[in-house]
Amino acid sequence: EAQVTQNPRYLITVTGKKLTVTCSQNMNHEYMSWYRQDPGLGLRQIYYSMNVEVTDKGDVPEGYKVSRKEKRNFPLILESPSPNQTSLYFCASRITGGFRNQPQHFGDGTRLSIL
Amino acid sequence: EDKVVQSPLSLVVHEGDTVTLNCSYEVTNFRSLLWYKQEKKAPTFLFMLTSSGIEKKSGRLSSILDKKELFSILNITATQTGDSAVYLCAVEGNTNAGKSTFGDGTTLTVKP
Repeated sequence: EAQVTQNPRYLITVTGKKLTVTCSQNMNHEYMSWYRQDPGLGLRQIYYSMNVEVTDKGDVPEGYKVSRKEKRNFPLILESPSPNQTSLYFCASRITGGFRNQPQHFGDGTRLSIL
Repeated sequence: EDKVVQSPLSLVVHEGDTVTLNCSYEVTNFRSLLWYKQEKKAPTFLFMLTSSGIEKKSGRLSSILDKKELFSILNITATQTGDSAVYLCAVEGNTNAGKSTFGDGTTLTVKP
């Protein structure tokens, strides 16, 4: 089944303790992206990757890191999490990162609480 | 900076009503506008619009784009309780192909 898989789905942690949210897709998609969603707000883009070893900042990259060492995986790293990073996080992918029009496929989300 | 404004922010209707959701946008070098439906978890794709005046239709849902006035509408006829969701509008431009800008969404509640 074609899907985007995020882990963990839920995490409660404390300020300053490094964490990684994994994202994996099995559709051989070139493009992957991370978003955060806060109550009453839409999705805000954190980072995106047009292809392996190519990453770029979205609108809210502060406090986050990403890497794209292989096509299927795009982990989101919080080196020193803070309470303002408490949010619902979505990973998404689409076929290409170029100028072709395609929708994104989203994972089921990761709910992070940072105390 | 790209911008998407959706209205209304929330809407409560009864089954059988018709609703119109609005999305206005500003984006450098427009490429596409997309509508997604978000229930309890992941957003799911509804429509992609790239050309003005061409209606996209899927069952009771339809959408159209006006590139001159920079807006799109999503219509839902004969609403059902299963249409209750957050509807998200997003735009993408050609200047920065990887960026997607979303609006805050419209929360639709359909009562029996």
